[in-house]
Amino acid sequence: KAGVTQTPRYLIKTRGQQVTLSCSPISGHRSVSWYQQTPGQGLQFLFEYFSETQRNKGNFPGRFSGRQFSNSRSEMNVSTLELGDSALYLCASRGTSHDEQYFGPGTRLTVT
Amino acid sequence: EDKVVQSPLSLVVHEGDTVTLNCSYEVTNFRSLLWYKQEKKAPTFLFMLTSSGIEKKSGRLSSILDKKELFSILNITATQTGDSAVYLCAVEKIGRSGGSNYKLTFGKGTLLTVNP
Repeated sequence: KAGVTQTPRYLIKTRGQQVTLSCSPISGHRSVSWYQQTPGQGLQFLFEYFSETQRNKGNFPGRFSGRQFSNSRSEMNVSTLELGDSALYLCASRGTSHDEQYFGPGTRLTVT
Repeated sequence: EDKVVQSPLSLVVHEGDTVTLNCSYEVTNFRSLLWYKQEKKAPTFLFMLTSSGIEKKSGRLSSILDKKELFSILNITATQTGDSAVYLCAVEKIGRSGGSNYKLTFGKGTLLTVNP
């Protein structure tokens, strides 16, 4: 079974631009969660999608948004990028609520 | 606010040593505690603990949860250089139907360095 995949793996953007990251979950998994990882704050929950609906949201500004498609693939968008948005963005998928989450390799975003 | 605190923040040992990593938490509607290992890539799952006092083992790694004192430990015996990584602890809360609420709260991690 293929794991969680994320594209692109690395990205460099300029302040003020916007970015879209993509995540394909493990086949059959309908829940996709997004996390931001920085050296200062560690891993922080962004949001979770299930069957194209956002069910949970973390404490991030509205510049961070996401969506999920009918095939469970998910995208995350960050608008008006700031230097502090530089981070590793991790996506995780899950089968049922009694299973563990499986993480993808992450997208390393650098904002200059 | 939910809180997960890991200690120590970093640890340097020699191959063959035994290490104990700590994780304490404060969370309402606790469901489970999870341990992950992160090298220079995605976190990989180690253990999920939901019941107090039951040790989970996988090779040289083991973990136990104390729901009364709100902490967990991760033990690694006979450490090897390949155990060098950041070890992350996370908690999740009860959601609908008794399962997870699908939102993990992570600690800052313990950086373990195993020297040959």
